[in-house]
Amino acid sequence: AQSVAQPEDQVNVAEGNPLTVKCTYSVSGNPYLFWYVQYPNRGLQFLLKYITGDNLVKGSYGFEAEFNKSQTSFHLKKPSALVSDSALYFCAVRVLYSSASKIIFGSGTRLSIRP
Amino acid sequence: GAGVSQTPSNKVTEKGKYVELRCDPISGHTALYWYRQSLGQGPEFLIYFQGTGAADDSGLPNDRFFAVRPEGSVSTLKIQRTERGDSAVYLCASSPGGLAGIGGKSTGELFFGEGSRLTVL
Repeated sequence: AQSVAQPEDQVNVAEGNPLTVKCTYSVSGNPYLFWYVQYPNRGLQFLLKYITGDNLVKGSYGFEAEFNKSQTSFHLKKPSALVSDSALYFCAVRVLYSSASKIIFGSGTRLSIRP
Repeated sequence: GAGVSQTPSNKVTEKGKYVELRCDPISGHTALYWYRQSLGQGPEFLIYFQGTGAADDSGLPNDRFFAVRPEGSVSTLKIQRTERGDSAVYLCASSPGGLAGIGGKSTGELFFGEGSRLTVL
């Protein structure tokens, strides 16, 4: 079955340290991969995407993600975390069917940055 | 506003009642999506429109759920005979084109509204 998984419910990082939020996927064909962020009482906001090209994708707010085809992963990273990065992060993948496609989301990872 | 607008932001209803949730997408976006998000979970796909037609409704949980987009812009998600298990935040998103590139250039990025929180008592 086509799916996306976020193995960590919560990630805790000290401000200024690097952060990684993990994502793995299983899809047919070439993957379209996305990261979204959700702040409290707000809608989901797009951070970045991988469709083709360089494996390291840069996005909003200093975030980047690395596509690894052999490990079927698309981990979100940031070199130096900020307290304001604390939020809920969702990995998403496009899945293809015979006549349509849709985006499915992982269960989310709560990122907590302590001062 | 320039973003996706959803109304109402909050809806409390009693079990068995009928509910309508409205989504006004970004002007010019041909694709529109409905998701449902329960507490502590990721958004769950419900239905996807390309223009006026439902391109994929495989996520609608049962026949109590129905959605329309008669003029290819505003969409309404309709829930009949609501149950307590329907309580969730219903998210709407739009994009310039379909995910498969149908209807024009597709960036794959979805623009989300802030959601309609439905509580069924």
